[in-house]
This record gives sequence, structure tokens and C-alpha cells, in this order.
Amino acid sequence: AQSVAQPEDQVNVAEGNPLTVKCTYSVSGNPYLFWYVQYPNRGLQFLLKYITGDNLVKGSYGFEAEFNKSQTSFHLKKPSALVSDSALYFCAVRDGGYGGATNKLIFGTGTLLAVQP
Amino acid sequence: KAGVTQTPRYLIKTRGQQVTLSCSPISGHRSVSWYQQTPGQGLQFLFEYFSETQRNKGNFPGRFSGRQFSNSRSEMNVSTLELGDSALYLCASSLRLAGGPRGNEQFFGPGTRLTVL
Repeated sequence: AQSVAQPEDQVNVAEGNPLTVKCTYSVSGNPYLFWYVQYPNRGLQFLLKYITGDNLVKGSYGFEAEFNKSQTSFHLKKPSALVSDSALYFCAVRDGGYGGATNKLIFGTGTLLAVQP
Repeated sequence: KAGVTQTPRYLIKTRGQQVTLSCSPISGHRSVSWYQQTPGQGLQFLFEYFSETQRNKGNFPGRFSGRQFSNSRSEMNVSTLELGDSALYLCASSLRLAGGPRGNEQFFGPGTRLTVL
């Protein structure tokens, strides 16, 4: 069964510092991975996805993610954090992987990012 | 393009009642999925529709049902509400059903906050 794990419930970082939000995955076949962000009382906003190709994926709002097959990780990164980045971040994997005929996403438990001014 | 819209945004019901939630996908999107978000269980997949057909279903009781109309709009219904059904219900739309090299990310609506008293 496909799954993702976010080992940190909360990440604290000072504004201007680099940030990393961790995600590891367990899939059969080629993974199809996503990062979403959720602000209070809002739905999920798509940040970026990994399908195939370059291991460094660039997304919205200056975020990027590094896919590492040997470590089965897909960590979210940003070179310089902003207070406005404070939100709940979810890693997700598409069930059935790359070629599956479903859009069902399996989500991690979420990581709360707190950026201090 | 307008994003995914969900109505109503907030709903308060009592145990035993039933509720219908509505979702309008992004114009041109034919796939609609529903997720339940709770503090305890996180984000869980409910079901997925494409071309008016249910393509996938999560592990929820039969009290949870849904449908999709010819214009791709979708509704979900919960009958005989229980306290544990209190949650944020999120709808997501995407262009296609399958993945493949172009990717097929889902775009989420703001959600309907259901409170069962």
C-alpha cells in the first residue's frame, strides 16, 4: 500500500533562514508525489509535484522539493523563509502511482510550519 | 478561471439529520474527488467521480454517498449524521482521471465545515 510519512508535527524557523519540511514515502512502482499547503480556514493549495525527471522540483511561492529515490524522501525546501509561509504543509502520494487510473491522494499527517519574525 | 467552489461553507446539523454538500469544479475539469479532514484522522479520501461514474471509493460507511452530474458538478450526501461526522469536507477537481507524463494535479476548494451537534 502507498503511504507517506511526515515525521515532524511542527517546524520552527526564523524569518530569512532556510526551511525544510520532511516527507518520506513508501510506494510500489514509480511514485507520483505532491506538496500542498493549507492556511487557516482554507482549502489546500497546490505547491508542486514530482512525476519523473529532475530530482529538484520547483514550485509556487519560491518552494522547491528534492526527490531522493535511495532515501525514499521528498523534502520541501525554501532558501529564505517568510512569516507569511506559516501554515500547515501536507505531503501526498497518488494512489496507484504514475500510471494508475485514479486521482486519489494519500496524505501525510501534516507539518505545521511556524516562521518567527 | 474560477477555482473550485463549494457550498455551503458552514453547516450546523444535529445527530440523525442528513446533509448535502455541493461542489463545482474548475471549468473543463471532469474529475471530482471528495476528502474528509478531521484533527484525529487527518485527510481521508471519500470518493472520486469522472464522467458521472464513481471510479473509486474510500473506506467510509454507506451513509456517505455522492454523485456527479453531466456538467461535472458533484454532490455528496451524509445520512443519519453522527457526532464523528463533524469535519471539513474538501472537494478537489482535476482535468483527467489518469496521470501520465503531463501530470494531473488536483485543485481544492475552500471546503465545507460541517458541525454535528
